[in-house]
Amino acid sequence: AQSVTQLGSHVSVSEGALVLLRCNYSSSVPPYLFWYVQYPNQGLQLLLKYTTGATLVKGINGFEAEFKKSETSFHLTKPSAHMSDAAEYFCAVSDQSTDKLIFGTGTRLQVFP
Amino acid sequence: DVKVTQSSRYLVKRTGEKVFLECVQDMDHENMFWYRQDPGLGLRLIYFSYDVKMKEKGDIPEGYSVSREKKERFSLILESASTNQTSMYLCASSFLQSSVTNYNSPLHFGNGTRLTVT
Repeated sequence: AQSVTQLGSHVSVSEGALVLLRCNYSSSVPPYLFWYVQYPNQGLQLLLKYTTGATLVKGINGFEAEFKKSETSFHLTKPSAHMSDAAEYFCAVSDQSTDKLIFGTGTRLQVFP
Repeated sequence: DVKVTQSSRYLVKRTGEKVFLECVQDMDHENMFWYRQDPGLGLRLIYFSYDVKMKEKGDIPEGYSVSREKKERFSLILESASTNQTSMYLCASSFLQSSVTNYNSPLHFGNGTRLTVT
């Protein structure tokens, strides 16, 4: 079965600094990978997804993620953090053996002025 | 915009009560899902449904049941609520394509119901 590991349950950055949220997956077959964001008191919304093709994927709000098969990683980055980026971020992988979406445990991003 | 509406934002129930959590989506999505979200555990799938009157168990179905009598509505039922079911419950929907993964059709989530069982 596939699994997702998000390193760091909390990440803090200053406004304007680089944001890096880490996600590693385990999969014996090419996975489909997703990042979702949850703002306070809201449900999750899709940031970006990788299915096939270009390994660098651009999403909403200036975020992007790169699929690295050799490292089994799909880290999320943003060059310059904004206060409005404060939220919880979830990495997810499709489990093609059981046909389900497997979520990581989430990383809470704090942005300081 | 897709709208997934969960009927209650906060609920407080007593141990042993039967609890209904309601979810309605307005985009004619075939797939609907119930997750629970707990700190440090992420989202865990309880039940999902591909179609009316159809249901499949997720990873943690024990203590829960579901009902899908109409395409737009998916209800989660706690037959006898217990304190370990205190959690945030999230409903989601998506189009059916080749599979529930629906990599071309993202999940659309409601804002969640925070349930406290005392």
